[in-house]
Amino acid sequence: NAGVTQTPKFQVLKTGQSMTLQCAQDMNHEYMSWYRQDPGMGLRLIHYSVGAGITDQGEVPNGYNVSRSTTEDFPLRLLSAAPSQTSVYFCASSQRQISNTEAFFGQGTRLTVV
Amino acid sequence: GDSVTQMEGPVTLSEEAFLTINCTYTATGYPSLFWYVQYPGEGLQLLLKATKADDKGSNKGFEATYRKETTSFHLEKGSVQVSDSAVYFCALRPSYNTDKLIFGTGTRLQVFP
Repeated sequence: NAGVTQTPKFQVLKTGQSMTLQCAQDMNHEYMSWYRQDPGMGLRLIHYSVGAGITDQGEVPNGYNVSRSTTEDFPLRLLSAAPSQTSVYFCASSQRQISNTEAFFGQGTRLTVV
Repeated sequence: GDSVTQMEGPVTLSEEAFLTINCTYTATGYPSLFWYVQYPGEGLQLLLKATKADDKGSNKGFEATYRKETTSFHLEKGSVQVSDSAVYFCALRPSYNTDKLIFGTGTRLQVFP
């Protein structure tokens, strides 16, 4: 049971470059989300999706795009990388509309923008 | 809006010491409460949870009790081990939006032999 798989684990980008962080889950979860983790700020929600074809903005969406063409995949795109996007990114998935449901997280992508 | 407040870290303890990590929350209604743990270089994983007042969640020797009257969900362990060194996140799911998960800022625990 793979759970949530994120790739790559590490990435260094130059300012202005674009890239896509991949996320896939094999638990048939409808809800998927992307967070960034920064020191002293916990996890902040970037974008989320409640099912294929449906996405919405979270707390810090600027500079990021998402799409959800299948239940399994939820890629995060950085359009033009900036040093402020240096962070650790986590993808998560969970069942919908169950109050005590567990969120499953990927291992994270450590991104450095120089 | 709903929020979670955790004690600042790092918390530094010797092996076999008693651990408390404080967590308080602000929420409307009756949220579900969670503790997640992040070991070095890994993603978050669920440690324990509680869904209603006075529920006690427990796992791996850790416990937390859902206290509605004090809006708290403090994490405790009677005897910590070096392997418990990690970052601990308190989180809640609001009753009005069970998709949403709101995290505290995390507390780093360092346990020395």
